[in-house]
Amino acid sequence: EDKVVQSPLSLVVHEGDTVTLNCSYEVTNFRSLLWYKQEKKAPTFLFMLTSSGIEKKSGRLSSILDKKELFSILNITATQTGDSAVYLCAAVNSGNTPLVFGKGTRLSVIA
Amino acid sequence: DTGVSQDPRHKITKRGQNVTFRCDPISEHNRLYWYRQTLGQGPEFLTYFQNEAQLEKSRLLSDRFSAERPKGSFSTLEIQRTEQGDSAMYLCASSLRTGTGELFFGEGSRLTVL
Repeated sequence: EDKVVQSPLSLVVHEGDTVTLNCSYEVTNFRSLLWYKQEKKAPTFLFMLTSSGIEKKSGRLSSILDKKELFSILNITATQTGDSAVYLCAAVNSGNTPLVFGKGTRLSVIA
Repeated sequence: DTGVSQDPRHKITKRGQNVTFRCDPISEHNRLYWYRQTLGQGPEFLTYFQNEAQLEKSRLLSDRFSAERPKGSFSTLEIQRTEQGDSAMYLCASSLRTGTGELFFGEGSRLTVL
């Protein structure tokens, strides 16, 4: 059965800290991995990773995929209170349908 | 607003009643997805459409759940004979078939079954 496992499930840090969120996957016919940020309502897209070892970066957020070890990490540097959210990863199969989401990592950044 | 819209945003119903949710995707998106999300969990895939064709429905939770997209534009998700365990957020998302795989989510419809 396809599955995506995220760790940790929750994390509390102080503003300015750097955090690393983990996502491992076991998906048949894996194609790509997506990261989303979910605050109170709809998840919003952060990154899509298809190729191994190529870092995607957006401001203080960056992510990388390891297709050999079947995991991805999301890094957030110099965290701010506005980064507090649930971070979700999802695996996409060759049918281009993100069937499997992880449970998410709830990040709380305190001032 | 050209994003994905869902209606109603909140629905409270009594056990045994039928409920229907509507989703209007981004207009040029030909794929439409339904997910369910309960507290502390990631979104759980239910079904998806490419235009009006329902390409995957084996993940619908039971035969009380059904979805339609009759003209390839908006979609409805119906739950018949609701149970308390159906209480959740129902998320709709859309995408382009030939796109990156990125999904654009609506704000969700929160269902509470009393």
